[in-house]
Amino acid sequence: SAVISQKPSRDICQRGTSLTIQCQVDSQVTMMFWYRQQPGQSLTLIATANQGSEATYESGFVIDKFPISRPNLTFSTLTVSNMSPEDSSIYLCSVEAGEGVYGYTFGSGTRLTVV
Amino acid sequence: RKEVEQDPGPFNVPEGATVAFNCTYSNSASQSFFWYRQDCRKEPKLLMSVYSSGNEDGRFTAQLNRASQYISLLIRDSKLSDSATYLCVVNINNFNKFYFGSGTKLNVKP
Repeated sequence: SAVISQKPSRDICQRGTSLTIQCQVDSQVTMMFWYRQQPGQSLTLIATANQGSEATYESGFVIDKFPISRPNLTFSTLTVSNMSPEDSSIYLCSVEAGEGVYGYTFGSGTRLTVV
Repeated sequence: RKEVEQDPGPFNVPEGATVAFNCTYSNSASQSFFWYRQDCRKEPKLLMSVYSSGNEDGRFTAQLNRASQYISLLIRDSKLSDSATYLCVVNINNFNKFYFGSGTKLNVKP
């Protein structure tokens, strides 16, 4: 199935700064999904990134806070802007598993701590 | 009401035991169902998709009950390595919309 390389794996950031997370997929995919997993909780979809169009954001998430780029079919970035401690979370990207596997695969996640 | 609900556990079982988890979903228009496994401080990994007819993969069996709106995961002959959190995932009527349960924690003891 598709393999995702996500980086950074972790970071500690000062409040008010921004962090850009990258996901590189080893195959071309139409949609890439960005999730957040807050401590002790399950995953929440932030947005869906399609190549060549604006990302679609879920309720509670806005482009100014979480700008997304999708320059081609194998790559996407999520930026967490003007960070506050409440943004401390794990951020994950996801794509269709592909190759006959029905389901979705995840990047290894970015563990963000905002101090 | 949450879209997807799971018993958080933990389920503490001895090696070799059979254990079952259920997951209920609230939207009858749900179309696709998955079980994921998440180890501590790791990303979720797809365990199996759940088909209407039910499906089995080795020691793991998944079932879907549309009438009662739940899916189940049965693990036979539990191994220590099965210890993890099991996430139920439901796709509701829209290709992009996936809802994750909060997970059921399984601890398999020697």
